[in-house]
Amino acid sequence: EPEVTQTPSHQVTQMGQEVILHCVPISNHLYFYWYRQILGQKVEFLVSFYNNEISEKSEIFDDQFSVERPDGSNFTLKIRSTKLEDSAMYFCASMYGGVNTEAFFGQGTRLTVV
Amino acid sequence: AQTVTQSQPEMSVQEAETVTLSCTYDTSESDYYLFWYKQPPSRQMILVIRQEAYKQQNATENRFSVNFQKAAKSFSLKISDSQLGDAAMYFCAYTQRNAGNMLTFGGGTRLMVKP
Repeated sequence: EPEVTQTPSHQVTQMGQEVILHCVPISNHLYFYWYRQILGQKVEFLVSFYNNEISEKSEIFDDQFSVERPDGSNFTLKIRSTKLEDSAMYFCASMYGGVNTEAFFGQGTRLTVV
Repeated sequence: AQTVTQSQPEMSVQEAETVTLSCTYDTSESDYYLFWYKQPPSRQMILVIRQEAYKQQNATENRFSVNFQKAAKSFSLKISDSQLGDAAMYFCAYTQRNAGNMLTFGGGTRLMVKP
């Protein structure tokens, strides 16, 4: 069964460093998302991506964040200068299309900023 | 802004028994969708069941069913004949039509199943 794959499963980085989280969505899906979950808190929407551009973003998704779909298969989230409060579980999701279709989630990348 | 609330951080059920997980939400929209996602330990979230707000009939998927009360903005999940494999975090989620399909999640309920 097709699935969304995220790498790495765990990333430790120093404060101020750049980090790139990787996702391979399901191949025929058209919508892509990043969510994050700070420990003990809710899963929060960060950004959605469709037709090679950002379609929606939350107030969390500030200038430190960017997304790319560089080669038609990968979907990356970059944090330019990590802060301690960026420590969280980051989930990638993809969807074929339409509100009534299912969003498929990856297993997440646990980012720890030290 | 829409909010989703799950008031039960943890629930426990005996194997083969029935359990209900609660979810309430707040929205001023009339056209939206509600979901329950299951997240087993160290695994990805998977969709359990979905409900379209315009449908009066409660959704059912095998042992999983919902009680959708639109006026009360309540969307509970009932798991019948609970199995050990049902142990997981359960997230209630909302999405509004024409809002980029982004999901708003509740805080989650950890379900434990006792043998």
